[in-house]
Amino acid sequence: DIQMTQSPSSLSASVGDRVTITCRASQSISRYLNWYQQKPGKAPKVLIYAASSLQSGVPSRFSGSGSGTDFTLTISSLQPEDFATYYCQQSYSSPRTFGQGTKVEIK
Amino acid sequence: QVQLQESGPGLVKPSQTLSLTCTVSGGSISSGGYYWSWIRQHPGKGLEWIGYIYYSGSTYYNPSLKSRVTISIDTSKNQFSLKLSSVTAADTAVYYCAREYGSGNYFDYWGQGTLVTVSS
Repeated sequence: DIQMTQSPSSLSASVGDRVTITCRASQSISRYLNWYQQKPGKAPKVLIYAASSLQSGVPSRFSGSGSGTDFTLTISSLQPEDFATYYCQQSYSSPRTFGQGTKVEIK
Repeated sequence: QVQLQESGPGLVKPSQTLSLTCTVSGGSISSGGYYWSWIRQHPGKGLEWIGYIYYSGSTYYNPSLKSRVTISIDTSKNQFSLKLSSVTAADTAVYYCAREYGSGNYFDYWGQGTLVTVSS
């Protein structure tokens, strides 16, 4: 199985801050990397697919980059509705695997 | 707009079989190009992919659960189902059904999730 490791596990930030979350795969996954946002009691929602493609309807302050084993999710200017947990997920091979999550909290 | 909805018992006894169904609306489950998936989340924890089924009936299961998992599809009802046998307390989780979009290989639609507790 491909292991996905996110960092940090949690972070505190203020509205308007630039936030970066990293995800590392245990082997090369090309650009088969997706990012999801999950709020308490809700299902995850896809933000970014194929490493850098913005899902329809997702605000442009979200962006993704990377290839191979190292990837980043960036929120350019954190908004109140962005406080949530973020997961990366590889779709290079089965079984699909997720990172452990990064919780973004209010500072 | 595609919608997925999980249904099934919220409480299952240890050693029994957990059975859940996902009903798909707003689109046909027989459309090619999508993988109909089950994903679970232990309380307060991350996401674990259980497996998927294609409309043709082909399946792929997570090796960590493979011996206990069966995913099936009923195209006439636009539903797919999960069975997990010999459950223990470690199977207590929120279970989600989701659609993986084959062209982009990402989960684009999810059910709301259903909590299944394993307890006597």
